[in-house]
Amino acid sequence: AQSVAQPEDQVNVAEGNPLTVKCTYSVSGNPYLFWYVQYPNRGLQFLLKYITGDNLVKGSYGFEAEFNKSQTSFHLKKPSALVSDSALYFCAVRGSGSARQLTFGSGTQLTVLP
Amino acid sequence: EADIYQTPRYLVIGTGKKITLECSQTMGHDKMYWYQQDPGMELHLIHYSYGVNSTEKGDLSSESTVSRIRTEHFPLTLESARPSHTSQYLCASSLAGSSYEQYFGPGTRLTVT
Repeated sequence: AQSVAQPEDQVNVAEGNPLTVKCTYSVSGNPYLFWYVQYPNRGLQFLLKYITGDNLVKGSYGFEAEFNKSQTSFHLKKPSALVSDSALYFCAVRGSGSARQLTFGSGTQLTVLP
Repeated sequence: EADIYQTPRYLVIGTGKKITLECSQTMGHDKMYWYQQDPGMELHLIHYSYGVNSTEKGDLSSESTVSRIRTEHFPLTLESARPSHTSQYLCASSLAGSSYEQYFGPGTRLTVT
């Protein structure tokens, strides 16, 4: 079985401060990990992914994520938050070689306060 | 922006009506997906397709059906809409292979009265 946990429903951060959105996963085999962002009344937009290689992955809009195999985590980070980063963020996982499709977390609402 | 389109964007329809939600992509992707999402909530996979004439049910049981007659087109049909079908429906596509990201359409927000 594969699963994703986003332990925080809501994250608030002041503009200009660093932000972290947490994600932990469970999967058989090596994980393929993804972050998506969803703005109101829109579909999801792909931010970044980890497949293999460097544990620090850089993505769109200044976001990055750190893969930690021992902690089975893939936290999303940004050094300096913008008000426009306010949105719903989803982590997703799939096991390499798995017949399962992508499994999404429950989402974390990020609010950046001016 | 991804080249994946959904129509209509919003639909309000009465109970018992038949509806088809359209999804098209121009990226030549083999795999396509339908997700159901209540506002601000997690996504549930209801259907997917590996290619033409291939359709599979997802993790969440759904009364809807899908077809894949052309690579670029993956419509979803509800034969008889009910208020419990009220939700947002998101279509996505990707290249074949586990490591490829999915690209999402803008969604169809369906309300059944």
